[in-house]
Amino acid sequence: DTEVTQTPKHLVMGMTNKKSLKCEQHMGHRAMYWYKQKAKKPPELMFVYSYEKLSINESVPSRFSPECPNSSLLNLHLHALQPEDSALYLCASSQEVGLLVYGYTFGSGTRLTVV
Amino acid sequence: SQQGEEDPQALSIQEGENATMNCSYKTSINNLQWYRQNSGRGLVHLILIRSNEREKHSGRLRVTLDTSKKSSSLLITASRAADTASYFCATDESGAQKLVFGQGTRLTINP
Repeated sequence: DTEVTQTPKHLVMGMTNKKSLKCEQHMGHRAMYWYKQKAKKPPELMFVYSYEKLSINESVPSRFSPECPNSSLLNLHLHALQPEDSALYLCASSQEVGLLVYGYTFGSGTRLTVV
Repeated sequence: SQQGEEDPQALSIQEGENATMNCSYKTSINNLQWYRQNSGRGLVHLILIRSNEREKHSGRLRVTLDTSKKSSSLLITASRAADTASYFCATDESGAQKLVFGQGTRLTINP
């Protein structure tokens, strides 16, 4: 299995809702990442997990809460989002943080719309 | 923070022609990577070039890296309609343990 699977592919949520994005990989990668991408812009790093521990938080608002329950799974919990949080949320994985040989493997993303 | 600046922002060429995209960055890097993104979906890793390498090939792709000028280029030869996509360079910054993406080049291949 050489894929990163993200669910759901599309999500519409109200500003008072709580929802979660899910990311899964079975490549044995020990680093996982969340990126946010607005239209016609590059991906922006949100969080980095290394060996299931949060290693980088790029000053992301607390309404975004990441979780790494095990080495294959990464979640992003969403609560009280704003319309400007609407974006494509991308999950990625790599062998390890800082020891890149093959680059990152990205999922197809979750298209989030906050209404 | 976005480190890479890509040039041009948009490029439109005829099928069969070569496409060249450039990327400049600001800090020391471990490696530089190029990714392709179709229609706002996931990114696909194309090629990785280490800081001690100057040129790398993969199929119709050729990447160069000039660390003295802090720049890289991606050449796609004999372009095809299926190459239409956005292309991003990304730098693995020394000591930062994260990948930072450039602004991207939107490439359109006209049949």
